[in-house]
Amino acid sequence: AQTVTQSQPEMSVQEAETVTLSCTYDTSESDYYLFWYKQPPSRQMILVIRQEAYKQQNATENRFSVNFQKAAKSFSLKISDSQLGDAAMYFCAYRRGGGAQKLVFGQGTRLTINP
Amino acid sequence: DAGITQSPRHKVTETGTPVTLRCHQTENHRYMYWYRQDPGHGLRLIHYSYGVKDTDKGEVSDGYSVSRSKTEDFLLTLESATSSQTSVYFCATGDMNTEAFFGQGTRLTVV
Repeated sequence: AQTVTQSQPEMSVQEAETVTLSCTYDTSESDYYLFWYKQPPSRQMILVIRQEAYKQQNATENRFSVNFQKAAKSFSLKISDSQLGDAAMYFCAYRRGGGAQKLVFGQGTRLTINP
Repeated sequence: DAGITQSPRHKVTETGTPVTLRCHQTENHRYMYWYRQDPGHGLRLIHYSYGVKDTDKGEVSDGYSVSRSKTEDFLLTLESATSSQTSVYFCATGDMNTEAFFGQGTRLTVV
């Protein structure tokens, strides 16, 4: 069975600084997707960024970027120029390619932004 | 935003009572999912549906049943609620080549 591990229950960063959230996963599949979701206090699950396993290039969305290390099964999220609105719970998630998007989530990392 | 509505948004119920949570979508997505969120566990899949009347179990399905009689509705039923089912429940929908879209969540408390 696939597993996703986030080893940092909590992280904090100064406003405008850069922070990296860690995620490792375990799978024997070759076709899969990885995601980072943000969950603010409103409880809404917001997709931050996605990475297709077959793509070597790391995904980037504005201030958010990932470091995808396929061989090491590592998928970290870097947030640059942190803003107060980035404060939230962040979840790393995995799903196999094709068919239903049955997501496997990590435990989550609570990110605090210090003004 | 995808039109996914969960009802109720909050519910308190007593141990042993049946509870049904509803998920309604207006996106005509084929797949629908129920997850539960608990501290230290992230979100875990309870059941999912890949079409009308087609459902399958997820990782934590014990104590839960689901039904999907229409494309737009996916019901999650706790036949006899227990305190261990106190959680936040999320519905999600999607198609094969789309991301998963989540509802706002339902906070269920079993006392």
